[in-house]
Amino acid sequence: DIQMTQSPSSLSTSVGDRVTITCRASQTISSKLNWYQQKPGKAPKLLIYAASSLQSGVPSRFSGSGSGTDFTLTITSLQPEDFATYYCQQSFGIPRTFGQGTKVEIK
Amino acid sequence: EVQLVESGGGLVQPGGSLRLSCAGSRFTFSSYDMTWVRQAPGKGLEWVSYISSSSSTIYYADSVKGRFTISRDNAKNSLYLQMNSLRDDDTALYYCATESGGRTSWYFDYWGQGALVIVSS
Repeated sequence: DIQMTQSPSSLSTSVGDRVTITCRASQTISSKLNWYQQKPGKAPKLLIYAASSLQSGVPSRFSGSGSGTDFTLTITSLQPEDFATYYCQQSFGIPRTFGQGTKVEIK
Repeated sequence: EVQLVESGGGLVQPGGSLRLSCAGSRFTFSSYDMTWVRQAPGKGLEWVSYISSSSSTIYYADSVKGRFTISRDNAKNSLYLQMNSLRDDDTALYYCATESGGRTSWYFDYWGQGALVIVSS
């Protein structure tokens, strides 16, 4: 199975800050990497697919980059509604696997 | 807008069975591959099973293989997960989701609200 490792596991930050979350795959996955946002009590929401493509309706302050084994989700100018948990997920192989999540909290 | 509604969750004893359903609406259900993803209380996301649009291809996570069965009825716009021999560690919120994409990546673009399964004596 392909293991996905996110860092950090959590971070405390402020509105307006720039946030960077990294995701590392245990083997190369090309660009088959997606990012999701999950708020408490809600289903996950797709933000980024294919490493860098913004899902329709997602604000442009979200961006993704990377290929191979190392990937990054960046949120420029964090907004109050962005405090949530973020997951990466690979679709290179079966089983589909997720990172353990990164909780973005208010400082 | 795409709507997915899960049902069938509940409390079941270890070793018991439960069948989850996921009703799709406001999209062409028969054209979409579907998947089940679960989330144990306070934990992360775990992929459970996948079924192609025509039911020709099915995959399972090792943790549920031999115990869970995924199926669909495109005439009823419905997805199912038959769960047998349930264990304590199957306790989770079970989400159904569409899987879309292609050559560049496959991704879960629409999700239901989840069905809670609690396995406990």
